[in-house]
Amino acid sequence: AQSVTQPDIHITVSEGASLELRCNYSYGATPYLFWYVQSPGQGLQLLLKYFSGDTLVQGIKGFEAEFKRSQSSFNLRKPSVHWSDAAEYFCAVTRGSTLGRLYFGRGTQLTVWP
Amino acid sequence: EPEVTQTPSHQVTQMGQEVILRCVPISNHLYFYWYRQILGQKVEFLVSFYNNEISEKSEIFDDQFSVERPDGSNFTLKIRSTKLEDSAMYFCASNPTGTNEKLFFGSGTQLSVL
Repeated sequence: AQSVTQPDIHITVSEGASLELRCNYSYGATPYLFWYVQSPGQGLQLLLKYFSGDTLVQGIKGFEAEFKRSQSSFNLRKPSVHWSDAAEYFCAVTRGSTLGRLYFGRGTQLTVWP
Repeated sequence: EPEVTQTPSHQVTQMGQEVILRCVPISNHLYFYWYRQILGQKVEFLVSFYNNEISEKSEIFDDQFSVERPDGSNFTLKIRSTKLEDSAMYFCASNPTGTNEKLFFGSGTQLSVL
């Protein structure tokens, strides 16, 4: 069965510091992986996705993520965090070439100190 | 960017009452979804809908739940007789083609069952 684990419930960083949010997945086949962000009062917004090819993917707002099959991980990174990045971040996985159901992690709440 | 609109943003209801959550997907999208997030838990898939019928549903989506696209623009989720454990944030999403592009999520309806 598909599952996603985000081991960090809450992370606090200072503005300008680097960020890495962890995501591990359990999936039998080649996964389709996503990172979504939810700001207060907003819907879930897609940051980036990985389907195949280059294992380092670039997304919006300066985020990137690296797919590591050997570690079953898809960690999200940003070299320098801005106060506006404070939000909740969700990792998700789905199967196959047709968008079926997404399996989400529990989310990581990011707090940014000025 | 076009948006998925959900109304109301908050809804309070008494246990046993029927509730209808409303969503207006993006106008040229063909696939529609409901997800929910119970406080402190993962975002969970409920149902996907295409061509006026359910294409997939999760084990959560039992006979108490139904979905409808009554007028070609709205997409509704009905809970027939609400239970305390139905209290959650409910997200609507739409997708233009059903392939792995991205889901466009609404900002959610917070349902509180008392």
